[in-house]
Amino acid sequence: QSALTQPASVSGSPGQSITISCTGTSSDVGGYNYVSWYQQHPGKAPQLIIYDVSYRPSGVSNRFSGSKSGNTASLTISGLQVEDEADYYCSSYTRITTVVFGTGTKVTVL
Amino acid sequence: QVQLQESGPGLVKPSDTVSLTCAVSGYSIRSSNWWGWIRQPPGKGLEWIGYIYYSGNTYYNPSLKSRASMSVDTSTNQFSLRLSSVTAVDTAVYYCARGGYYTLLGAFDMWGQGTMVTVSS
Repeated sequence: QSALTQPASVSGSPGQSITISCTGTSSDVGGYNYVSWYQQHPGKAPQLIIYDVSYRPSGVSNRFSGSKSGNTASLTISGLQVEDEADYYCSSYTRITTVVFGTGTKVTVL
Repeated sequence: QVQLQESGPGLVKPSDTVSLTCAVSGYSIRSSNWWGWIRQPPGKGLEWIGYIYYSGNTYYNPSLKSRASMSVDTSTNQFSLRLSSVTAVDTAVYYCARGGYYTLLGAFDMWGQGTMVTVSS
């Protein structure tokens, strides 16, 4: 299975909004509303921040929001803060009952 | 609170089989969850290895070509991964994680801290 496609890097200034895309196929992203997003700081385990395309786990800031259109899912971070600087990964459930991760996006706060 | 803790050998030789265990505390492994393994080579992205249900039902990443095998021990609340015929490309941090079953399908909401596995002679 091929990794989902994400931009290698996205940057923004504090207070701005940024959006990270995650492109798959009709066998994964486009076929199910089971897209998740993770935030990973250096040396740390990933943390789930969005599941089922647009739902936030308890305790996750409402500055993080998710959406999907066709085979592409998106993560938007609004009111960008310094602590948002991290790597972000999307993932999707697939047609063959597996999970596939995205290539990862490094977010830089300017 | 729910905690997952990986354990493993750290260093393995090429062509060997590496065995990793994930101890789950504060939560029953017999609950309705997938129990998964994910790895991350140094400086690279996440790769899903597979997951197992407490009944023993498993799914694996097709790219691993049957080298991966998972098991669960409900008596000790642990689950394990065996990866055979390892090479340098299997060098990575290996994470265990709790996955959704009826809800949060395909998502992992609790992760261990990760254990580094280095393949070298």
